[in-house]
Amino acid sequence: GQQLNQSPQSMFIQEGEDVSMNCTSSSIFNTWLWYKQDPGEGPVLLIALYKAGELTSNGRLTAQFGITRKDSFLNISASIPSDVGIYFCAGGIIQGAQKLVFGQGTRLTINP
Amino acid sequence: DARVTQTPRHKVTEMGQEVTMRCQPILGHNTVFWYRQTMMQGLELLAYFRNRAPLDDSGMPKDRFSAEMPDATLATLKIQPSEPRDSAVYFCASGLALLRGEAFFGQGTRLTVV
Repeated sequence: GQQLNQSPQSMFIQEGEDVSMNCTSSSIFNTWLWYKQDPGEGPVLLIALYKAGELTSNGRLTAQFGITRKDSFLNISASIPSDVGIYFCAGGIIQGAQKLVFGQGTRLTINP
Repeated sequence: DARVTQTPRHKVTEMGQEVTMRCQPILGHNTVFWYRQTMMQGLELLAYFRNRAPLDDSGMPKDRFSAEMPDATLATLKIQPSEPRDSAVYFCASGLALLRGEAFFGQGTRLTVV
């Protein structure tokens, strides 16, 4: 089945630094989504991408849908303590309905 | 505000017992997903429904897991009999099929089978 490779698995940064993470796949997806999960909570949608090459921002977050439709990246600028958490990419394919395949997550830790 | 509601939030049960997890999708959403999250496997899709009909349950162990949508406001995931390896957090998510594709997650049910 489809698999996503998300990297890095973890990041330790200083407050104020920029963050970059990405997902790659051997399969083509027609949607890329980025989620954030806090401890004890479900994933929360951050950004959704629907077209190859699309670049979308949500505050300090920017994500892009790769031209090949097999990759996506997420950037966080000027990190703050509340950015701590696990970030997941998800690729969407249409099989009757939108089916999402998730990456393994990037755990972000921020030193104040 | 609209959200996916899952019950119970936590469940501890003995091996061999039946476990039922419930989900109330966001009103108006016609797609419901069940995911399982573990440290080793991450987020795995177990099953999903569109308009209450099961589209794909290939991610579920068929011999012990079953998923249903008795009506548009309730989805259930049942494990019978439960085993320690079923211990995980189970998430329900809902969305609008073929429209934008976003899935909105509940807070999950943390299941521990001892």
